[in-house]
Amino acid sequence: NAGVTQTPKFRVLKTGQSMTLLCAQDMNHEYMYWYRQDPGMGLRLIHYSVGEGTTAKGEVPDGYNVSRLKKQNFLLGLESAAPSQTSVYFCASSGSGKNIQYFGAGTRLSVL
Amino acid sequence: KQEVTQIPAALSVPEGENLVLNCSFTDSAIYNLQWFRQDPGKGLTSLLLIQSSQREQTSGRLNASLDKSSGRSTLYIAASQPGDSATYLCAVLHYGGATNKLIFGTGTLLAVQP
Repeated sequence: NAGVTQTPKFRVLKTGQSMTLLCAQDMNHEYMYWYRQDPGMGLRLIHYSVGEGTTAKGEVPDGYNVSRLKKQNFLLGLESAAPSQTSVYFCASSGSGKNIQYFGAGTRLSVL
Repeated sequence: KQEVTQIPAALSVPEGENLVLNCSFTDSAIYNLQWFRQDPGKGLTSLLLIQSSQREQTSGRLNASLDKSSGRSTLYIAASQPGDSATYLCAVLHYGGATNKLIFGTGTLLAVQP
């Protein structure tokens, strides 16, 4: 029972490099979310998706892009990484907008 | 703007003690409130979800209450154990127009001493 799986678990980037974080869920959930967690800030929503082929901006979307080509996958892209994007990134999914969100284990990203 | 605050930021108690964690929110327009547990370097695990129409929810040694009118929730942990050591986060599902938003507090770091 995998639930929500995030890859990679750790990554170090240089400023200006690009990368894609992958989130996969096996619960047939419609909704998927990307959050970032920073010390003293709590979790903040970056982007979310309410179904395959749809995405929307959250609270802190600048510098990130997302895609939901398949229902089970939600990709988070950084086109040109900046030190301010050093954070822990969490993916979550839920059956609807009101249901419990299930979280992945996180990706620790450092941008030097 | 919905804001969620958790007090205290950190708490250390001896094993066996009963304890209360606090969560407050500024806007009562919520669908539900959730309590999560986060272990170091790990993701979030949902502990309890209280619907806006409910007053409390219980799971084992955990009891969560909700007073929507005053914007407060508490998580009561009975007979604490070292294994309860973790960060506890509360989050409110806030009416967000087209899509509801889960707004998180910054958490309470709990240490239960053997």
